[in-house]
Amino acid sequence: AQSVSQHNHHVILSEAASLELGCNYSYGGTVNLFWYVQYPGQHLQLLLKYFSGDPLVKGIKGFEAEFIKSKFSFNLRKPSVQWSDTAEYFCAVLRRYYGNNRLAFGKGNQVVVIP
Amino acid sequence: DVKVTQSSRYLVKRTGEKVFLECVQDMDHENMFWYRQDPGLGLRLIYFSYDVKMKEKGDIPEGYSVSREKKERFSLILESASTNQTSMYLCASSPQTRGLNKNIQYFGAGTRLSVL
Repeated sequence: AQSVSQHNHHVILSEAASLELGCNYSYGGTVNLFWYVQYPGQHLQLLLKYFSGDPLVKGIKGFEAEFIKSKFSFNLRKPSVQWSDTAEYFCAVLRRYYGNNRLAFGKGNQVVVIP
Repeated sequence: DVKVTQSSRYLVKRTGEKVFLECVQDMDHENMFWYRQDPGLGLRLIYFSYDVKMKEKGDIPEGYSVSREKKERFSLILESASTNQTSMYLCASSPQTRGLNKNIQYFGAGTRLSVL
């Protein structure tokens, strides 16, 4: 079945460590890719997106993601995390479904940054 | 800023009750969506709508229905609530217009529903 895969659901790391969250999808053709973040007690918000062009995209709060078409991947990275990056991170892929565009989400990565 | 407002943050209902979850957006977006969010399962699409009075089933529509009588309002209805519908429900909206904001979904704060 077509899907969006995120590995390592729970990630615990110390401040200043580097973070990389993997995202793989199985949809063919042109895709739009997103990372959303949900901070504790807050609503889901867009972190960054890829539609076309430069496969390395930069988002808010120092996050970046790289689209590798040959690997069907869109991994999220941050070189040095802060305690405030504690959140749940969701990868999403826009797919065309019977003429309508719909987002398919991965299961999320719960990231805890220890001060 | 886009604002998507869900009428309740927390809701407690009894099994068999009819439940209405309301969502309003203020950016004149054509598309609106209802998801449920469960730990370890991510977000799953229940229903969506791309126009007034239009609705499409998502991945898990069973036990739910929706109503979109006005462009800004999208309601999720649980005809007869069951305990397995205890969850966090998220509403989202997105524009259909061309441009950089196309297909970006904006989310409400969520309604945490407990069915006892």
